[in-house]
Amino acid sequence: DQQVKQNSPSLSVQEGRISILNCDYTNSMFDYFLWYKKYPAEGPTFLISISSIKDKNEDGRFTVFLNKSAKHLSLHIVPSQPGDSAVYFCAASAYTGNTPLVFGKGTRLSVIA
Amino acid sequence: GAVVSQHPSWVICKSGTSVKIECRSLDFQATTMFWYRQFPKQSLMLMATSNEGSKATYEQGVEKDKFLINHASLTLSTLTVTSAHPEDSSFYICSARPVLRAADTQYFGPGTRLTVL
Repeated sequence: DQQVKQNSPSLSVQEGRISILNCDYTNSMFDYFLWYKKYPAEGPTFLISISSIKDKNEDGRFTVFLNKSAKHLSLHIVPSQPGDSAVYFCAASAYTGNTPLVFGKGTRLSVIA
Repeated sequence: GAVVSQHPSWVICKSGTSVKIECRSLDFQATTMFWYRQFPKQSLMLMATSNEGSKATYEQGVEKDKFLINHASLTLSTLTVTSAHPEDSSFYICSARPVLRAADTQYFGPGTRLTVL
């Protein structure tokens, strides 16, 4: 039973255009959501997060939108750059103490020059 | 700040041997460390949660006698893959949660690629 789902395994976008990565979750206890970027043979690096009390968080080219009623979040990257090509993982947590993050399967983004 | 290291970064071993992977938080103390495993084209699968000074909590389906976890200090956790077999070949990643930080804060190590021949 996957609690965090990233239904698109891959996405190709042209350089300069917007990349939109989607994530759905099923556990209503989740109240904090994070996006991680991962290059091959490296550990994930934190990109951006959002608390359930917000519906949008922006950091430079990266914006995360949260729709709690739909249990859906998305990561927008604009403008996309070739260096953004990586696997992006959506993760969720329930702020109940020492709980681990629950990850989606990831979406491989390829930004084409 | 918030750097997590793993050693070794890659290891090749013969079937039946044991391999120890270290995870260190270099500039902060971590009460909790997590061990993940990643298969090709799949997500990060949580293996176990390791709390300093206590026994690790293993996820369902993870053999605790095969994957020994020790979290002896606030900056070091180790994962030992005992009697490794080719199916244990994978990318192992640790993460560390700083003391007194929000439950969502985790810093990841660079990972260790294990290949069992």
